[in-house]
Amino acid sequence: SYVLTQPPSVSLAPGKTARITCGGYNIGRKSVHWYQQKPGQAPMLVIFYDSARPSGIPERFSGSTSGNTATLTISRVEAGDEADYYCQVWDKTESDHVVFGGGTKLTVL
Amino acid sequence: EVQLVESGGGLVQPGGSLRLSCAASGFTFSNYWMNWVRQAPGKGLEWVASIKQDGSEKYYVASVWGRFTISRDNAKNSLFLQMNNLKVDDAAVYFCARDRGSGSSIVLDYWGQGTLVTVSS
Repeated sequence: SYVLTQPPSVSLAPGKTARITCGGYNIGRKSVHWYQQKPGQAPMLVIFYDSARPSGIPERFSGSTSGNTATLTISRVEAGDEADYYCQVWDKTESDHVVFGGGTKLTVL
Repeated sequence: EVQLVESGGGLVQPGGSLRLSCAASGFTFSNYWMNWVRQAPGKGLEWVASIKQDGSEKYYVASVWGRFTISRDNAKNSLFLQMNNLKVDDAAVYFCARDRGSGSSIVLDYWGQGTLVTVSS
């Protein structure tokens, strides 16, 4: 089955740029989506189809994919960005499955 | 406004059954794929099942195959998850989520707040 690998945690100071990676075999050939989840809340879509932003998501959030890695970039990080972030793909290689990465905890110092 | 409201969670013994429901409003329910995603306490997200607009296609994560059944009633704007032979590892918050549609992938653009399933003797 297809596996997505994320770093467990990323920490940085406010105003810096956060880059959260998502590794998967040939992930550049798949469509990658990203979700933000704050404690006690449902996940929220922040990036879809690699780099598109839903309405209401700040331009500080961007996404990219290349080769075996997808990256969620959050510019000028704010305290309110502190959350868990998950990448996700729809894998059709063996069977039709939604696959999530293990999640990355973003801590704003 | 799109709303998804789950219900039906609770405490059940191992081997027992539960039926989760998700009431949808604010959009044309019959036009969208729908999904169940779960999250065990302190853990990450795990996809459980997806169902096509007319119910003709259903997909499941391997760990629930043969025990869980996803279904929908488009006339009542409702999504269901019948869970049988529940195991301790099935304990989680279960989220109902809508696929954004109009694309080649599953994109979960709206989520409910979830319903808690506890499996314990």
